[in-house]
Amino acid sequence: AQTVTQSQPEMSVQEAETVTLSCTYDTSESDYYLFWYKQPPSRQMILVIRQEAYKQQNATENRFSVNFQKAAKSFSLKISDSQLGDAAMYFCAYRNPQGGSEKLVFGKGTKLTVNP
Amino acid sequence: NAGVTQTPKFQVLKTGQSMTLQCAQDMNHNSMYWYRQDPGMGLRLIYYSASEGTTDKGEVPNGYNVSRLNKREFSLRLESAAPSQTSVYFCASSRDRDLRGYTFGSGTRLTVV
Repeated sequence: AQTVTQSQPEMSVQEAETVTLSCTYDTSESDYYLFWYKQPPSRQMILVIRQEAYKQQNATENRFSVNFQKAAKSFSLKISDSQLGDAAMYFCAYRNPQGGSEKLVFGKGTKLTVNP
Repeated sequence: NAGVTQTPKFQVLKTGQSMTLQCAQDMNHNSMYWYRQDPGMGLRLIYYSASEGTTDKGEVPNGYNVSRLNKREFSLRLESAAPSQTSVYFCASSRDRDLRGYTFGSGTRLTVV
C-alpha cells in the first residue's frame, strides 16, 4: 500500500522568507500524481500544486514550487516570499491513476506558521 | 457555484445516536469519497465510490455505512455513534484522471459526547 510521510509536524517562517516542507512517499508504481493541499483555519481544502510523475520538470505555481526527486521518492514544497496568508496546514498527497478508483493518500500534515 | 455541498456543517450527537451526513456534487464526477480528519492523523479514507451503484471500503470503514444514491449524492451513516467518531468529515469528488485532484466539501465537524 502506498504511504505518504510528512516528517515535520510544525514549521515556522518569517514573512518574506522562504520555507521548504518535506514529503516522502512509498510506491511501487511508475505512473502517479502528487499534490500539495493547503488547509487554512476555514477548514477548506485548497489545491496548491500538482506533479505528474512522468514529468521530469518540477511544477511551479507563482510563489510555490516543488522539488520532485522520483528515485528518492521525495516531493518537497518550497514557498518563496512567505505571506501571512500562507499560514495553514499543508498536506502532501499521492494518487495512483491506475485501477478502479483514484484514491488520494494523504500525509499527516505540516502546520506552517508565518511570523510577521 | 459548482462544487461539493456537505450538510450539516456542525453536529453534536450523544453516544449511541445515529445520523447521516449528506454530500452532493454538481460537476458530473464519477468518483466520490468520504474522509475523516483527526489531529496529527491527516485525512484518512473511510469509504469511496468509483461510480454510481458501487462502494468500497477505505482505510477506516468500521462503524460507518455509505450509500451512493445516484451520481450526484453520496451519504455517510453512523448507525451508533461513539466518542471515537468525533472528527471532521470531508466529502470529495473527482473526475477520472483529473489532474486537479479532488474537489472537497467544506467539512462537517461532528462531536460525539
